[in-house]
Amino acid sequence: RKEVEQDPGPFNVPEGATVAFNCTYSNSASQSFFWYRQDCRKEPKLLMSVYSSGNEDGRFTAQLNRASQYISLLIRDSKLSDSATYLCVVRYNTDKLIFGTGTRLQVFP
Amino acid sequence: DAGITQSPRHKVTETGTPVTLRCHQTENHRYMYWYRQDPGHGLRLIHYSYGVKDTDKGEVSDGYSVSRSKTEDFLLTLESATSSQTSVYFCAISEADAEATYEQYFGPGTRLTVT
Repeated sequence: RKEVEQDPGPFNVPEGATVAFNCTYSNSASQSFFWYRQDCRKEPKLLMSVYSSGNEDGRFTAQLNRASQYISLLIRDSKLSDSATYLCVVRYNTDKLIFGTGTRLQVFP
Repeated sequence: DAGITQSPRHKVTETGTPVTLRCHQTENHRYMYWYRQDPGHGLRLIHYSYGVKDTDKGEVSDGYSVSRSKTEDFLLTLESATSSQTSVYFCAISEADAEATYEQYFGPGTRLTVT
């Protein structure tokens, strides 16, 4: 079983739609959680950290469920520019991160 | 954007030749990392550094070595390149913040092809 698992997609959604991604992690000792965005042939960029209480940044909302060991990312009012691969990332009791393989999102007009 | 550069950005080399990739940062961050990214795999950690001359192995370190003689530079060396090392290599940096989240910031990547 992979330490961090994501549905690879692709998720094909029209502009303006709401879309949600889930990610599960296997190590209950995980301490920090992140969503990164990666455009084709580019480096991953930090989208947001995920806090226990959940957090929101504009159209993006991240949630953490420690009991069920999953993280979610909700994107409202999708834009064409949101098309990318979204990486779920988990940190255990070190400074090293474990990356999921990513969920691909394609927003169409 | 974090001040991280990688060189070269693209390289084609032959099997058996040595290759060195350079990561340079201007953020004075303590931690630096080398990852590789391949289809079907998440980013996988090759080596990392937690200070000058302090390095350690990641999950896919075989065939790679690193050096860090200055805070700003982290070098990755393939002693004798093999076709299985064809990949995209990313460098990342982080620093312990108040929340100890260790957010990492990535360089633009190096595309390496071993023929």
